[in-house]
Amino acid sequence: LLTQSPGTLSLSPGERATLSCRASESVKSTNLAWYQQKPGQAPRLLIYAASSTATGVPDRFSGSGSGRDFTLTISRLEPDDFAIYYCQQYGRTPITFGQGTRLEIK
Amino acid sequence: QVTLRESGPALLKPTQTLTLTCSFSGFSLTSTGMCVNWVRQPPGKAPEWLARIDWDDDKYYSTSLQTRLTISKDTSRNQVVLRLTNVDPADTATYYCARTLTMAAGGNGAFDPWGLGTLVTVSS
Repeated sequence: LLTQSPGTLSLSPGERATLSCRASESVKSTNLAWYQQKPGQAPRLLIYAASSTATGVPDRFSGSGSGRDFTLTISRLEPDDFAIYYCQQYGRTPITFGQGTRLEIK
Repeated sequence: QVTLRESGPALLKPTQTLTLTCSFSGFSLTSTGMCVNWVRQPPGKAPEWLARIDWDDDKYYSTSLQTRLTISKDTSRNQVVLRLTNVDPADTATYYCARTLTMAAGGNGAFDPWGLGTLVTVSS
């Protein structure tokens, strides 16, 4: 089970966003991903292996963590970043997603 | 360029069988390490992984849905098919397929890319 917090994060453009994902049991860092989803779109891979940025993803996105606790950080929010973010473990089946954090404009 | 596209019925009645097709291009499901996943997302909820099929025909299923799901591939047509039997209104969701390239094959193991999704509604 992956639990994300907060459920909703209200911030302004230019601010720093910190999103959390906690696993009920330890997850290998190589098997933790973050996705961004905008309304009407499919999820988009941002981060894999906990801290590796996917191709084409701006460097203001970064991931960190190990064991049970993982973090997605957006260093300086841009208007395009307001969306829902999901963490995912893909190291063992069933593959699971967190319930999501909605990042909204304050 | 890797692309995936889901197709299937938009509307089903309870107890019917849902058959979805994922048509892909830009990779071969015969290549070592290639996998295709199915994921669904009910309106306003988080994604839920359903099934995966691998290049070597290994198959994996959601624990809660495994008795109702069947995944298969047609490598000559570059398609993966998912069947979900005995549908219920709770199966109403957008259904996505997504590729995985395993880390052992030099990929990252995550879901990338995804198809655009297809909305399936179950209603009497």
